[in-house]
Amino acid sequence: DIQMTQSPSSLSASVGDRVTISCRASQSISSYLNWYQQKPGKAPKVLIYAASSSQSGVPSRFSGSGFGTDFTLTISSLQPEDFTIYFCQQSYSTPITFGQGTRLEIK
Amino acid sequence: QVQLQESGPGLVKPSETLSLTCTVSGGSVNSGSYYWTWIRQPPGKGLEWIGYIYYSGSSGSTNYNPSLKSRVTISVDTSKNQFSLKLSSVTAADTAVYHCAKSPYGGPFDYWGQGTLVTVSS
Repeated sequence: DIQMTQSPSSLSASVGDRVTISCRASQSISSYLNWYQQKPGKAPKVLIYAASSSQSGVPSRFSGSGFGTDFTLTISSLQPEDFTIYFCQQSYSTPITFGQGTRLEIK
Repeated sequence: QVQLQESGPGLVKPSETLSLTCTVSGGSVNSGSYYWTWIRQPPGKGLEWIGYIYYSGSSGSTNYNPSLKSRVTISVDTSKNQFSLKLSSVTAADTAVYHCAKSPYGGPFDYWGQGTLVTVSS
């Protein structure tokens, strides 16, 4: 199985800050990396797919980068609605696996 | 716009079989374009992929998480445009919110059901 490790597991920031969340795969997954946002009691929502492509309708402040084993999700200017949980997921091979999540909290 | 909706019992006894159905609207489970997937999330924890079914024409193929493979069956009912999950011999560790979702091959889960909480308890 490909292990996905996110860091940090939690992050405190303020509205307007720029933040970066990292995701590392235990082996190369090319660009088969997706990022999700999950709000309490809701299903995850895809933000970024194929490492750097923005899902339709996602605000431009969300961006992704990386290839191989190291990936990042960047939020350029935090808005109040962004304080929630983020997951990465590899779609390179089965079993499909997710990172453990990063909780973004208001400072 | 594709919509997915899970349904099934919210309480299952230990050692019994958990059975859930996902009803798809706005798309066809028989399209041959997507992987129809079950994912679960124990309360307060991360996401676990259970498996998927890919269906086209009159046949389908499945792929299950090895950690659950001996207990999982995913199937399709094309007449109802639904796909289903059966998980046998459940224990408290199977208590989770169960989501159905779809994805293209190698792509993200772009549509999800809202999720349904299944509690395993006597």
